[in-house]
Amino acid sequence: DGGITQSPKYLFRKEGQNVTLSCEQNLNHDAMYWYRQDPGQGLRLIYYSQIVNDFQKGDIAEGYSVSREKKESFPLTVTSAQKNPTAFYLCASSARLAGGKNTGELFFGEGSRLTVL
Amino acid sequence: AQSVAQPEDQVNVAEGNPLTVKCTYSVSGNPYLFWYVQYPNRGLQFLLKYITGDNLVKGSYGFEAEFNKSQTSFHLKKPSALVSDSALYFCAVRDIGGGSNYKLTFGKGTLLTVNP
Repeated sequence: DGGITQSPKYLFRKEGQNVTLSCEQNLNHDAMYWYRQDPGQGLRLIYYSQIVNDFQKGDIAEGYSVSREKKESFPLTVTSAQKNPTAFYLCASSARLAGGKNTGELFFGEGSRLTVL
Repeated sequence: AQSVAQPEDQVNVAEGNPLTVKCTYSVSGNPYLFWYVQYPNRGLQFLLKYITGDNLVKGSYGFEAEFNKSQTSFHLKKPSALVSDSALYFCAVRDIGGGSNYKLTFGKGTLLTVNP
């Protein structure tokens, strides 16, 4: 079945460590996104990528890094510079419709919950 | 800049009663509007979207939403609530007239509780 796979589902990190969250999609979507979810704050955009080898900062990119070397993959690294990394992280993708206009909805993975000890 | 407001953090309804979850938006151009649902510790699931056309949009699980341009609103509705509808609901907007064509902005979410 087509979809988005995030791993790991749960991750524990010591302060000062970098961690990488995996996101893989087999929907043949061009655009991919990383959101952070905190209670009462909704979803906030960290990074997004419209095509391979290109990505843009979202609203809260500080302390995070991404790469987009393959269409199917958009890993997120939470660095030690991120001051409050404990959160639920959601990866999503969307299709590019003909003509470059993207009107489609986002498809989400099941999320990764990161806890800093 | 685009933004979404969900004025109610929580909505409580009795099973069998109609439900409404409110959403208002702000964009510089024409909006694409979406509703998503999230169950605990899960990803978001798409419910419905408004792109153009009829102001009343029907979606999954019996939900519908009404687009009101003059009030810049996109309220989610269901005629008869089920206990299984209890979840966190998110409204989202994309400004198709803006430069960030791919960026979707979400509201803070409304926790719907349907009481038996």
